[in-house]
Amino acid sequence: AQSVTQPDIHITVSEGASLELRCNYSYGATPYLFWYVQSPGQGLQLLLKYFSGDTLVQGIKGFEAEFKRSQSSFNLRKPSVHWSDAAEYFCAVGANGNKLVFGAGTILRVKS
Amino acid sequence: DADVTQTPRNRITKTGKRIMLECSQTKGHDRMYWYRQDPGLGLRLIYYSFDVKDINKGEISDGYSVSRQAQAKFSLSLESAIPNQTALYFCATSDKGALKNEQFFGPGTRLTVL
Repeated sequence: AQSVTQPDIHITVSEGASLELRCNYSYGATPYLFWYVQSPGQGLQLLLKYFSGDTLVQGIKGFEAEFKRSQSSFNLRKPSVHWSDAAEYFCAVGANGNKLVFGAGTILRVKS
Repeated sequence: DADVTQTPRNRITKTGKRIMLECSQTKGHDRMYWYRQDPGLGLRLIYYSFDVKDINKGEISDGYSVSRQAQAKFSLSLESAIPNQTALYFCATSDKGALKNEQFFGPGTRLTVL
């Protein structure tokens, strides 16, 4: 069965510092991978997605993610974090039957 | 206007009460989903529907039921609410013709069962 692991429950970074959120997946075939962000009191917004092709994908708000098949990873990165990036981030993998399987989420705190 | 709307946004109820959460979408999507979010557990799928006549159980359907009244409407019911159903509930939609598995989410309903 498909699964997603986000090893870090909480991460705190200073404003202006770089960010990397980790995501590992388990899936037998080529995965469809997603990162969503949930700001406080808001729904989930899609940041970026990977289906095939270039393994480095660009998303909204200056985020990018790199698919590494050998490591079963799809880590999210941003070179310089802004205070408005404080939110909860979810990695998800597309599962059979057009479903999504989500990781437990990583809460990002940004300190000024 | 929001493409996926959920009502109510917040609800407090008592154990044993029947509760209905509603989801409407203007995206014209065929597929709709209900998830619950709990701290440290991410989002878990409760039910999903690929069209009006198609309803499927998800990972955690016990204690819940759904109704797909129209292409644009998908309701989640708790027949007899219990405290461990306190959670944030999300509705989502996807288009069968769109890129694989991409889903669009509503703003969520925060449900508290006392």
